[in-house]
Amino acid sequence: KAGVTQTPRYLIKTRGQQVTLSCSPISGHRSVSWYQQTPGQGLQFLFEYFSETQRNKGNFPGRFSGRQFSNSRSEMNVSTLELGDSALYLCASSSSTGGYNSPLHFGNGTRLTVT
Amino acid sequence: QKEVEQNSGPLSVPEGAIASLNCTYSDRGSQSFFWYRQYSGKSPELIMFIYSNGDKEDGRFTAQLNKASQYVSLLIRDSQPSDSATYLCAVAGNQFYFGTGTSLTVIP
Repeated sequence: KAGVTQTPRYLIKTRGQQVTLSCSPISGHRSVSWYQQTPGQGLQFLFEYFSETQRNKGNFPGRFSGRQFSNSRSEMNVSTLELGDSALYLCASSSSTGGYNSPLHFGNGTRLTVT
Repeated sequence: QKEVEQNSGPLSVPEGAIASLNCTYSDRGSQSFFWYRQYSGKSPELIMFIYSNGDKEDGRFTAQLNKASQYVSLLIRDSQPSDSATYLCAVAGNQFYFGTGTSLTVIP
């Protein structure tokens, strides 16, 4: 079974631009979560989608948004980029349906650098 | 108070020794507990998960859960240099919460 696929692997953007990251979950997984990882803050939860609906949201500004498509693929968008948005963005999928008892499986991540 | 607390380390153990990694959590309603390993520059990789009080063994890894004490640990027996990584504890209740990780170095 193919794992979680994230594209692109690396991105360099300038302040004020916007960016879209893509994630394809493991086949059959309907839950997709996004995390931001920085050296100082660890893994920070952005949001989770299940069957095209946002099921949970972390404490990030509205510049961070996401969506999920009917095939469970997900995208996240960051508008008006700031230097502090430089981070590794991780997507994770899960076979969980009603709760959070199944493990998350992470993709390789997208490393975003904002200059 | 953070949802999940881990000692950041670094923790250093000699090759062949037992490495003990600890994690505490604040939400008594948490149901599922996970350990991930993350090599530098890579994404987290699932090592083990545990749902019930007690021990769960998988090869050289043992996860231990004590819900009354809100404590979960990971033991790595016969530690190898390839075990050198950051270990993330994750706890799930109404969502996943991750600790900031413990850096482990196994010295040959």
